Amino acid sequence: DAGITQSPRHKVTETGTPVTLRCHQTENHRYMYWYRQDPGHGLRLIHYSYGVKDTDKGEVSDGYSVSRSKTEDFLLTLESATSSQTSVYFCAISTDRTGGFINEQFFGPGTRLTVL
Amino acid sequence: AQSVTQLDSQVPVFEEAPVELRCNYSSSVSVYLFWYVQYPNQGLQLLLKYLSGSTLVKGINGFEAEFNKSQTSFHLRKPSVHISDTAEYFCAVDDYKLSFGAGTTVTVRA
Repeated sequence: DAGITQSPRHKVTETGTPVTLRCHQTENHRYMYWYRQDPGHGLRLIHYSYGVKDTDKGEVSDGYSVSRSKTEDFLLTLESATSSQTSVYFCAISTDRTGGFINEQFFGPGTRLTVL
Repeated sequence: AQSVTQLDSQVPVFEEAPVELRCNYSSSVSVYLFWYVQYPNQGLQLLLKYLSGSTLVKGINGFEAEFNKSQTSFHLRKPSVHISDTAEYFCAVDDYKLSFGAGTTVTVRA
């Protein structure tokens, strides 16, 4: 299994509080991603990173920010959590895009976040 | 932009019966397609992928999928399922970033 851990695995918080989720990899992969999973929507990309300090927005980035100061860590921050951000959050990693297309993504175990 | 439609949200099936999960995508350019599986309370893992070449792709655990460009489909099949195949299955298309379908929940019953 790819070495990807997420912390915390479960979190309950209140509306308006800041929350930071951490993704840590031991594979030295260049690309890291944050997704949220909601029933009926599959996985939707929040933000991704293509290197240290290089990040870009996904399709559902509003209300979220990310940081990547080291290759192995990718942090997702909810600046002021809302109930609509209750979800399961997955981190994924992948290697360089050889040949111009995406390589397989490896997923972490997920973080279940509940915003009351 | 690309999009993915999984035509069945729930597929109940008896053990040792065949199963087909349908996936259609919209695209006007070359596509790279994936099927992922998510077992209960776990992350996603890759079942198989189509990048180029033969349109019939074989994956892990006896699954296979067929890429059909004219019908813009990438249906997943298994000739005989096991109880352990109970999971959620996601079709995804590469548009420089992966776009996922909404998922199909497969429940295998004895």
